[in-house]
Amino acid sequence: SQKIEQNSEALNIQEGKTATLTCNYTNYSPAYLQWYRQDPGRGPVFLLLIRENEKEKRKERLKVTFDTTLKQSLFHITASQPADSATYLCALVAMDSSYKLIFGSGTRLLVRP
Amino acid sequence: EAGVTQFPSHSVIEKGQTVTLRCDPISGHDNLYWYRRVMGKEIKFLLHFVKESKQDESGMPNNRFLAERTGGTYSTLKVQPAELEDSGVYFCASSLGFSGANVLTFGAGSRLTVL
Repeated sequence: SQKIEQNSEALNIQEGKTATLTCNYTNYSPAYLQWYRQDPGRGPVFLLLIRENEKEKRKERLKVTFDTTLKQSLFHITASQPADSATYLCALVAMDSSYKLIFGSGTRLLVRP
Repeated sequence: EAGVTQFPSHSVIEKGQTVTLRCDPISGHDNLYWYRRVMGKEIKFLLHFVKESKQDESGMPNNRFLAERTGGTYSTLKVQPAELEDSGVYFCASSLGFSGANVLTFGAGSRLTVL
């Protein structure tokens, strides 16, 4: 079955640095991959979507890469701020009757002032 | 524009009781999804409605779970009878489109605690 792995350990970085989060997947070849942000007590909030034929996608301070050979996506936040502290979820889009999302367990990011 | 609304935000019930969770999607969104996160696990798909029809219910754990979307507007998810392993956070999401590039808007979730 499809498996998505995100670093379960929290990533702790200094404000102003670049945060890089990793998403690895196996037993699947997704055409789309999404990244969501989740704050405590809230639902996931969509950030970026990247297609299999796109190597990189940017939105303001966010950048996502998608390497279908390595089966890996990297999520970068440049010039990180304490407000970026949250859990970041990687999700593959299942190309089935529902286009359901298959989520990783998420990586918690802590940005120190 | 109002977001996805879920009710209740938290429900505590005893094993064997019944609970009904409600989701109001964004107005005009034909697609409504239910997901849940049990303790320590990732968020997992339960089912997908297109308007009032169940498009995919492959993620429903067993027949103690019943989802409805009468009239194609709000949806309810009933758990009857509840078991301890049903504890978790139940998320509802909605979308306008229905494709691989689908972007979901999630509600804040309904936390269910079964004692």
